Amino acid sequence: NAGVTQTPKFQVLKTGQSMTLQCAQDMNHEYMSWYRQDPGMGLRLIHYSVGAGITDQGEVPNGYNVSRSTTEDFPLRLLSAAPSQTSVYFCASSQAGTGDEKLFFGSGTQLSVL
Amino acid sequence: EDQVTQSPEALRLQEGESSSLNCSYTVSGLRGLFWYRQDPGKGPEFLFTLYSAGEEKEKERLKATLTKKESFLHITAPKPEDSATYLCAVSNFGNEKLTFGTGTRLTIIP
Repeated sequence: NAGVTQTPKFQVLKTGQSMTLQCAQDMNHEYMSWYRQDPGMGLRLIHYSVGAGITDQGEVPNGYNVSRSTTEDFPLRLLSAAPSQTSVYFCASSQAGTGDEKLFFGSGTQLSVL
Repeated sequence: EDQVTQSPEALRLQEGESSSLNCSYTVSGLRGLFWYRQDPGKGPEFLFTLYSAGEEKEKERLKATLTKKESFLHITAPKPEDSATYLCAVSNFGNEKLTFGTGTRLTIIP
């Protein structure tokens, strides 16, 4: 099993550009989520999904969009990138179906917005 | 609002020198306290979940303990491969989401 796979590993955007961060898991987990990690701050939840067709907002959802058409995939869209979105982004999934049990994380996407 | 404070921010130990990392928390109703390990350039990796005060969990050189206000991650006779950032997180019964601390960066010197 590959676990949670994120692409790309690195990305540089200009302010105003849009892009999609990809996340896929092969563990048949219902729960998937996106976090961002910034220096001096803990991981913060952006959006999450408890199953295909169901998404909800986390702590810092503004400027991001998600959809969940399949159990395996949970892409994160930046609609119009801003320098404040420079961060490391992690996708995570959970077998338990909730966001507070053992999470499996991807290896992250380092995003710079110029 | 749930809060998690980890100390120290960074810790350097000689190989074999035991120590403890602290995680203090404020939560309305603790559902679980989690420890994760994060290596540079990687995502966090799950270590332990603790659910009630007095509970302890062990894995190799690591032992996690929990009280009503804090958790400790004890590391016994550490090796250089134990170098990593250790993250603490809590969840409450109200929202089933994790609130993470900022982590302790542990460096073990050979």
